[in-house]
Amino acid sequence: DAGITQSPRYKITETGRQVTLMCHQTWSHSYMFWYRQDLGHGLRLIYYSAAADITDKGEVPDGYVVSRSKTENFPLTLESATRSQTSVYFCASKGRGATEAFFGQGTRLTVV
Amino acid sequence: LAKTTQPISMDSYEGQEVNITCSHNNIATNDYITWYQQFPSQGPRFIIQGYKTKVTNEVASLFIPADRKSSTLSLPRVSLSDTAVYYCLVGDRGTGRRALTFGSGTRLQVQP
Repeated sequence: DAGITQSPRYKITETGRQVTLMCHQTWSHSYMFWYRQDLGHGLRLIYYSAAADITDKGEVPDGYVVSRSKTENFPLTLESATRSQTSVYFCASKGRGATEAFFGQGTRLTVV
Repeated sequence: LAKTTQPISMDSYEGQEVNITCSHNNIATNDYITWYQQFPSQGPRFIIQGYKTKVTNEVASLFIPADRKSSTLSLPRVSLSDTAVYYCLVGDRGTGRRALTFGSGTRLQVQP
């Protein structure tokens, strides 16, 4: 199916564990983004990527790692999860020079 | 980065026109103004984008004065389903990060 999909939709993990959130888009968009949204707040940019093998930090990158070996995938890894990383994570993609970005359905992550 | 300022919240009634103003005093020459809508538990969705004057689509209108230091999103005859958070973004359409930096948004509550 065409679009942008995130997996898993829900995840509970323990403090200190490594967890990876997946994001896949089928449009071959150049740009991809990861955001976190804490309850009742706006979206904060974690990392973004302008193309395969090109990534850059956003507003809140500490504690997260990204990679982009293929244009269509942009996984986000929490190296050692902390309770403060409990949040809803959104992935987005946008074509270069395009008007709009498309967002995934989100991953609700709970760190206990 | 051009900072945006929006009202935190607004209330309206069904059938009314709602105008949400966004201030962006430091907007750059290459920047576009984009509005997104977010429903609870969903990723943001593109509404409209403009550079100057007025843009209208099937969902909303966007008014941008000549100095481009502010913009107004106009939602005609709102319904209960328009209850959402609305984000104003300012950035260069050609680059990724600046075009997708979210502020706190405006929470619109539509009453019956």
